[in-house]
Amino acid sequence: EVQLLESGGGLVQPGGSLRLSCAASGFTFSSYAMGWVRQAPGKGLEWVSTMSASSLNSHYADSVKGRFTISRDNSKHTVYLQMNSLGVDDTAVYHCAKNDWNDFYFDYWGQGILITVSS
Amino acid sequence: EIVMTQSPATLSVSPGERATLSCRASQSVSSNLAWYQQKPGQAPRLLIYDASTRATGIPARFSGSGSGAEFTLTISSLQSEDFAVYYCQQYNNWPRTFGQGTKVEIK
Repeated sequence: EVQLLESGGGLVQPGGSLRLSCAASGFTFSSYAMGWVRQAPGKGLEWVSTMSASSLNSHYADSVKGRFTISRDNSKHTVYLQMNSLGVDDTAVYHCAKNDWNDFYFDYWGQGILITVSS
Repeated sequence: EIVMTQSPATLSVSPGERATLSCRASQSVSSNLAWYQQKPGQAPRLLIYDASTRATGIPARFSGSGSGAEFTLTISSLQSEDFAVYYCQQYNNWPRTFGQGTKVEIK
């Protein structure tokens, strides 16, 4: 059974930093791209970032480019999202998600973790 | 960036009735489109990929159609567990983009 468990969320002040982790199990982690999708309170889904299985390629939404960095440790079956220069608009539930074999859509999602940016 | 527009924003349907949800892309995405279902407090669940292929374990009452820039998700006979928000997502281009969602509510 595929499981994705996010951690590292919480309250942070504007301008602050936070690192999210997503521990994966139930599949061959090193073979699949992984991504992050966020959802602001009461709003829809917004793709944030995706990293390829090999870590060679990563992509970012314009709204986070230059501030967020995705990374992964295949030996630990974990993907990370380093978030810097956080603003109130970054307040959201952040979902970790597993990509399909072709790095296209997300076939499994974590429950998500709440990040609140507030003074 | 490809903009995905879903309609209607809210769809009121009685149990057992058919629901038809639309998703339009601002440019062609070929068949590179997925549909997700999200219930309150839960993670999204993949329903359809490649515009018309049901994901593993998804009931046959869910069907997807379309290509290019116009797509449809049809739920043939709504069950109580189908009342949720539905999102489309294109994966033809970076950045990946989602529609704003259609809420299917009980009439």
